Amino acid sequence: NAGVTQTPKFQVLKTGQSMTLQCAQDMNHNSMYWYRQDPGMGLRLIYYSASEGTTDKGEVPNGYNVSRLNKREFSLRLESAAPSQTSVYFCASRWSGVPGLDEQYFGPGTRLTVT
Amino acid sequence: KNEVEQSPQNLTAQEGEFITINCSYSVGISALHWLQQHPGGGIVSLFMLSSGKKKHGRLIATINIQEKHSSLHITASHPRDSAVYICAVSQGGSEKLVFGKGTKLTVNP
Repeated sequence: NAGVTQTPKFQVLKTGQSMTLQCAQDMNHNSMYWYRQDPGMGLRLIYYSASEGTTDKGEVPNGYNVSRLNKREFSLRLESAAPSQTSVYFCASRWSGVPGLDEQYFGPGTRLTVT
Repeated sequence: KNEVEQSPQNLTAQEGEFITINCSYSVGISALHWLQQHPGGGIVSLFMLSSGKKKHGRLIATINIQEKHSSLHITASHPRDSAVYICAVSQGGSEKLVFGKGTKLTVNP
């Protein structure tokens, strides 16, 4: 199993450009998450999807949109990138049989720089 | 005040030392998670516990629910243990984890 995969690994955007970060998992997990990680701060939840067809806002959703395309894939879109969105983005998934009682599995991260 | 506080923020040790990283939280939880993030950036789950103690190799995690406190211990530390260790908590019925800011551990040979 590949686990959780993310593309791209690195990306540089100019202010105002758009892009989509892709995430896929092959573990048949129900829940998927997008986080951002900034220096000196913990991981912060952007959006999550508890099941196929549902998405919910996390702590820092402004400037982002998501799509749960199917059970495997959960994409994060920046419509008009801003320098404040320079960060490392992690996708994660978990089975979610019992909320809060199973582990999250993380992708390798996407390092995004907005100039 | 953050819901999850870790201490210390940074820790430098010599190879072979016994290491303790602490995590305190202020909310009711269903489980506490310890994660490891290596310099390359990847994040892996080390432990998930809701009571007592768990051990995996040289790593031991304990939790005291009454005191809302958990510790991660590393015995006989090695330079390959150098990483950021992250504490996170999940609350019953919630999909979300709340993360601490992490403890950066450097083990020198």
